[in-house]
Amino acid sequence: DGGITQSPKYLFRKEGQNVTLSCEQNLNHDAMYWYRQDPGQGLRLIYYSQIVNDFQKGDIAEGYSVSREKKESFPLTVTSAQKNPTAFYLCATARQSSYNEQFFGPGTRLTVL
Amino acid sequence: QKEVEQNSGPLSVPEGAIASLNCTYSDRGSQSFFWYRQYSGKSPELIMFIYSNGDKEDGRFTAQLNKASQYVSLLIRDSQPSDSATYLCAVNGLTNAGKSTFGDGTTLTVKP
Repeated sequence: DGGITQSPKYLFRKEGQNVTLSCEQNLNHDAMYWYRQDPGQGLRLIYYSQIVNDFQKGDIAEGYSVSREKKESFPLTVTSAQKNPTAFYLCATARQSSYNEQFFGPGTRLTVL
Repeated sequence: QKEVEQNSGPLSVPEGAIASLNCTYSDRGSQSFFWYRQYSGKSPELIMFIYSNGDKEDGRFTAQLNKASQYVSLLIRDSQPSDSATYLCAVNGLTNAGKSTFGDGTTLTVKP
């Protein structure tokens, strides 16, 4: 069954805690992305990676960290430095092509208590 | 000015009508353009992409691109209540290393 999986679906965090969101894909796509979506808003890019062991900051990277040790996996850590982390987090993948259309996982909804 | 702008809506059309969703972008180097549909509480789903000036049709959906005017639109013919969702416009450019810039979305409601 091909696709993108994100876990957990819902996550609750106490203030001051770090949490890690999982994103796994078996589409053999080279590029992976993390977005944040706030209610009524579009998607804002946090980090992206085009190849293993390499990643770049997006528009709102502060308070987040990532790793890309395997092609299939791109976990996102939300650190205690992120002041307002409550949001819907979306992972996406893309084949490296001229058009670079992206495909999204089901998302993780993070709530800070 | 935002890089990608959409009418926030909400846009309401009766069942069977044509829904027209619009998007403008600021980067003249933009090369490929995407429309995603997002149901409430769900992740975005790619429904169309276009990269050449003109129209591209897929079933009830038509994407229109005018690079001179920096404008891309999505037409939904014979709108159905199941088309009620938020539609996100996304733009890729030559210089942004495969990143997509998203608009804030237009919420469409199709009334039976």
